[in-house]
Amino acid sequence: RKEVEQDPGPFNVPEGATVAFNCTYSNSASQSFFWYRQDCRKEPKLLMSVYSSGNEDGRFTAQLNRASQYISLLIRDSKLSDSATYLCVVNPNDYKLSFGAGTTVTVRA
Amino acid sequence: DAGITQSPRHKVTETGTPVTLRCHQTENHRYMYWYRQDPGHGLRLIHYSYGVKDTDKGEVSDGYSVSRSKTEDFLLTLESATSSQTSVYFCAISAETGDNSPLHFGNGTRLTVT
Repeated sequence: RKEVEQDPGPFNVPEGATVAFNCTYSNSASQSFFWYRQDCRKEPKLLMSVYSSGNEDGRFTAQLNRASQYISLLIRDSKLSDSATYLCVVNPNDYKLSFGAGTTVTVRA
Repeated sequence: DAGITQSPRHKVTETGTPVTLRCHQTENHRYMYWYRQDPGHGLRLIHYSYGVKDTDKGEVSDGYSVSRSKTEDFLLTLESATSSQTSVYFCAISAETGDNSPLHFGNGTRLTVT
């Protein structure tokens, strides 16, 4: 079983829609969680950290469910510029982050 | 953006040849990492460094070696390239570990082994 699993998508949504997707992780001792964004043929960039209480950054909301071992990302009022691959990242120990393979989101006009 | 430069950006090489990829940072961060990214896989850690001359293996280290003689440079060497090492390689840096310091990535090296 992979340490981090994501639905690859693609999620095709119209502008203005809400889209949400999850990521599951296998190591119950994981302490840190992140969402990264990766545009085609570019490097991953940090979108947001995920905190136990859940957190919001503008149109983006991240949630952590430790009991079921998943994190989620919700994007409200989708923009064309939100089209990207979203990588779920889990820190099972201090040095070695585990990356999901990514969820592709395509926002259409 | 964090000051990370990878070189070369693109390389085509033949099976059996040695290849060295360079990562250079201007942030004076302690931790440096080499990842590879392949379709259907998340980024997979090859090697990482937690200080000058301090390195350790990641999950896919076979066929790769690294060196860090200065804080700012982290080199990844493929001693004898194979076709399975065709990939996109990303270097990353962080000041600390855990959620206090996320990774910042270089813009990648596309390596093709023919």
